[in-house]
Amino acid sequence: GENVEQHPSTLSVQEGDSAVIKCTYSDSASNYFPWYKQELGKRPQLIIDIRSNVGEKKDQRIAVTLNKTAKHFSLHITETQPEDSAVYFCAASIEGNTPLVFGKGTRLSVIA
Amino acid sequence: DGGITQSPKYLFRKEGQNVTLSCEQNLNHDAMYWYRQDPGQGLRLIYYSQIVNDFQKGDIAEGYSVSREKKESFPLTVTSAQKNPTAFYLCASSTPSGSRLDTQYFGPGTRLTVL
Repeated sequence: GENVEQHPSTLSVQEGDSAVIKCTYSDSASNYFPWYKQELGKRPQLIIDIRSNVGEKKDQRIAVTLNKTAKHFSLHITETQPEDSAVYFCAASIEGNTPLVFGKGTRLSVIA
Repeated sequence: DGGITQSPKYLFRKEGQNVTLSCEQNLNHDAMYWYRQDPGQGLRLIYYSQIVNDFQKGDIAEGYSVSREKKESFPLTVTSAQKNPTAFYLCASSTPSGSRLDTQYFGPGTRLTVL
């Protein structure tokens, strides 16, 4: 089955700097890769997702890149703000076929 | 997100008791999921259901049971066989009827504590 590895487990950045979180997956058939943000005590919220027919997707300060050959995908947050502080999860699945498999999360702290 | 509700928000259980966690959605989603979240462990899949009257075990199904009698509802029972049930439980749904989209939306969660 699918296995998703996420790094780093914790990340601290200064406000205004960029943050990058990386994930690798094992099943080359996986074609759907969402990213979730979870604030303390709250539900995970989808922030961006990418499907394997594209290599990059951007939404304002957030971008995701996908390298199908290397089986890894990354989340990029630019101009970080204190409200970006949260736990971020990546996930992978064969869309419409298998359930999402999640990474173990990255705790991002943005220091003002 | 607003279309998925979970109750109760907090639940306390004595050892040896079964408890049932509620999950309801009004998004017309075919698929529903239960996850368990422990600190540093991410989200682990307990059970999922892709259609009414059918469900499959996830990675950590032992000590749990589910039913899917209605499209809108996917209750989870934590049985006395679950040895360490204290955790945050999240329900999710995806896949609008007629689509194959996996975009998953989560409920607000139930925090279960064993006394």
